[in-house]
Order: sequence, then C-alpha cells, then structure tokens
Amino acid sequence: AQSVTQPDIHITVSEGASLELRCNYSYGATPYLFWYVQSPGQGLQLLLKYFSGDTLVQGIKGFEAEFKRSQSSFNLRKPSVHWSDAAEYFCAVVIISSGSARQLTFGSGTQLTVLP
Amino acid sequence: GAVVSQHPSRVICKSGTSVKIECRSLDFQATTMFWYRQFPKQSLMLMATSNEGSKATYEQGVEKDKFLINHASLTLSTLTVTSAHPEDSSFYICSAGTSGRFGEQFFGPGTRLTVL
Repeated sequence: AQSVTQPDIHITVSEGASLELRCNYSYGATPYLFWYVQSPGQGLQLLLKYFSGDTLVQGIKGFEAEFKRSQSSFNLRKPSVHWSDAAEYFCAVVIISSGSARQLTFGSGTQLTVLP
Repeated sequence: GAVVSQHPSRVICKSGTSVKIECRSLDFQATTMFWYRQFPKQSLMLMATSNEGSKATYEQGVEKDKFLINHASLTLSTLTVTSAHPEDSSFYICSAGTSGRFGEQFFGPGTRLTVL
C-alpha cells in the first residue's frame, strides 16, 4: 500500500526566509502527488499537484514543488515566506487510475510557524 | 469552480443525540464523496467512501451503524453521527471527487462537532 512520510512535525522560519517542507512517498508506480494547506479550524486548500510531465510544479501563493522519482520525494518550497503562510501543510498521494476518484493517503502534516 | 460546502460549520450537542452533517458540491457533480475525521494536531483519517446511489464503503475500525452515510444525489452526501458521545467530538471534513481523468478531490471547510 502507498504511504506518505513528512519527516518534520514542526518547522519555524523567519519571515522572508526560504522554506522547504519534505515529503517522501512509497509506491511502486508513479503516483499523483498533492500538497494541501490547512489553517486552524479550516478545511484543506490545494496548493499544487503533480500528475505527469514537468517535474517542477508551480502552485498558488508562490509555492512550488519538485518531483524526484529517484528519491521518491515531492518537497514543497517557497523562496520567501510570509507571515500568512503559517499553517499546517499536508502532502498526499493517490494511485494513478482512470475513472472514479481515488482515495488520498495523507502524510502526518508539518506545522509551519513564521517568526516576524 | 469546484466548491464544496459543509453545514453546519460548528455544532454542539448533548451526549446521546444524533447529529447530521451535510456536504454539498456546489458547481459540479461528485461521483464520489469522502468523509474524513481529524483529531487536534493530527492528519486526516479516511472514514468512508461513498458513491452516489450505493452503500458507503467504511474503513476498518469505523462503525457503520454509528456513522451513517447517505449519498442520495450527485451533489449531496450526509454523515449522521448517531447517539453521539464525547469521544466522537472531532473535526469532520468531507471531500468530493469527480470521475474525470485525474479523479481529483475538493475539500469542504469542515465541521467541528463537540459532544457534551
């Protein structure tokens, strides 16, 4: 079964600094990969997704992620963090399949704190 | 596009009562809807998957008689927590998926259930 690992439970960065959130997946075939952000008491907002093609994916709010098959990773990056980026970030994977929607498997999440 | 709503956003009830949570896809038809449960500072745990017009598929360990799911139409799914107890207090999130090429899921804003 597929699994997703987010090694960092909590990351603290200063506003304006760069950010990288790690995500590793375990699945034999090429997965669909997602990054979601969740503010306290809110649902999940999709930041970006990777299905195929260019391994560097651009998302909303200035985020990007790079799919590295050799490392089974899909790390999220942002060159300059804003205070409003403080939130919980989830990496997720789904099996490639045609047809109906498939289950997402979520990582445990990384809590991002941004210092002024 | 791809907006999912949940109602209510917050509910407080007495132990022993039943609570119904609605999940609606507002601008698309959802062939599949998912219900998740999230405990504080934890990741999302899939409870069940429901397809329109058929019985829901529950994840292992989820009591189907306690968490009743109905997916009566392509835009509405409901989760009823029957005879709620304090341990059922949690954040419940639904998502709606399509049968499109990538089977993406779109998340609702969540419902905070507190059982006294």
